[in-house]
Parts: sequence; structure tokens; C-alpha cells
Amino acid sequence: QVQLVQSGAEVKRPGASVKVSCKASGYTFTGKYIHWVRQAPGQGLEWLGIINPTAGGTSYAQKFQGRVTMTRDTSTSTVYMELSSLRSEDTAIYYCARSERALSWFDPWGLGTLVTVSS
Amino acid sequence: EIVLTQSPGALSLSPGERATLSCRASQSFSSSSLAWYQQKPGQAPRLLIFGASSRATGIPDRFSGSGSGTDFTLTISRLEPEDFAVYYCQQYGSSQLTFGGGTKVEIK
Repeated sequence: QVQLVQSGAEVKRPGASVKVSCKASGYTFTGKYIHWVRQAPGQGLEWLGIINPTAGGTSYAQKFQGRVTMTRDTSTSTVYMELSSLRSEDTAIYYCARSERALSWFDPWGLGTLVTVSS
Repeated sequence: EIVLTQSPGALSLSPGERATLSCRASQSFSSSSLAWYQQKPGQAPRLLIFGASSRATGIPDRFSGSGSGTDFTLTISRLEPEDFAVYYCQQYGSSQLTFGGGTKVEIK
């Protein structure tokens, strides 16, 4: 079955960077897209961007332009999301999710990675 | 950026009752490019509806979606105990994907 397995929780200082991984299995990695979505404690869902695993092309939400970088490793079917210049407001659960096309719904989702930014 | 406004923010209902959730967009977007998700505490969101009205695999037929243009609705015909959760709409009709703020369906 299709699975997205994310890396474990992280605690970072303000100003640092964090890199979260998402390993895909159960389907052809280069055949679908991967998005990143975050959820601050008690809040709603916020889209960060998308990566096309085939060629590595990316598109980011305007809010995160210049601060987020998404990459992939086709040899391990893994996608990475790096967020830099962290601040306390970046404390959230970060989810990866698969989509059929660039503009599409998300299914399935990874279980999420909690990133805590605290001094 | 297309802003999605969900209403009400919370809905207090009893099992067996009908739930009607609204999602309104700030501007029209590519036809029917709207999805609905269910999220329970401590869990990742789960896809319910895509294309405004198509149920995802394994979703019971008590869940239905409708609407077009800027106004969309998720209806749960008869609430089961496992349906009490938060529901989000999401548009994928523009290059900047966005979510609504969510509607919490609570047990009355």
C-alpha cells in the first residue's frame, strides 16, 4: 500500500534550519507529486509548496519563498523539506502528502513531523 | 491567493442528525477543483471528497459534496459517532493551493 514515512520530531533554536524527510513506498516515486503542509498547534492547515520528484521542479507558497527548499533523492524515494531562519511561529506539525498532479487533492498524507522552535 | 471561508466554525449535533458544512471562496476558480478532508485529534487529515463531489476510496455514502464557482457544501446525512472531527476544504484550482479554516463537528 502507499505509504509516506516521515522523520522524527525536531527541536531547533530560533534562527536555525530544519530538514524533514518523507520516504515514499508502494508506488512509482516519480509518477506522483509531493506537497508539504503544516499545522501550528490548535490551528488549521497551511500549504508550503510542491515538488515534482521526476525532475525536481518545485513551486512554493509566496509566504515561504526564500525560506523553504524542497529536494528529492530518487535513489531512496525520499523527499526533503528544509525551512530556514526558524522563528517560534514555525512551531508546527509538518506533513508531506501525495497528489496525482501538480494541482490536485492530497492522498495519502504522512503522519507528520513535529518541529518545535524554542530558545 | 484564493481565501476559503468555512462556516460555521463549530457545529454541535447529535448522532443521527444531518450536518451541513459550507466553504466559500473569495473568487471563482477552475471548476470543481475542491476537496474536503476529515481530521481527528492526533491524526493526519484524511481525504473525503475531491472534484467537489466525488467520494474518495472507502468513504461511506453518508458523506456527499456539492457546489461550484465560489460556494461548496459538505453534507453528512446521518452522523455516526466516528464522524465527530474537524473538516477542512481545500482548493486546487490555482497555483497557490489554500485551505479553509476548518469546521469542528462536536457531539451535542
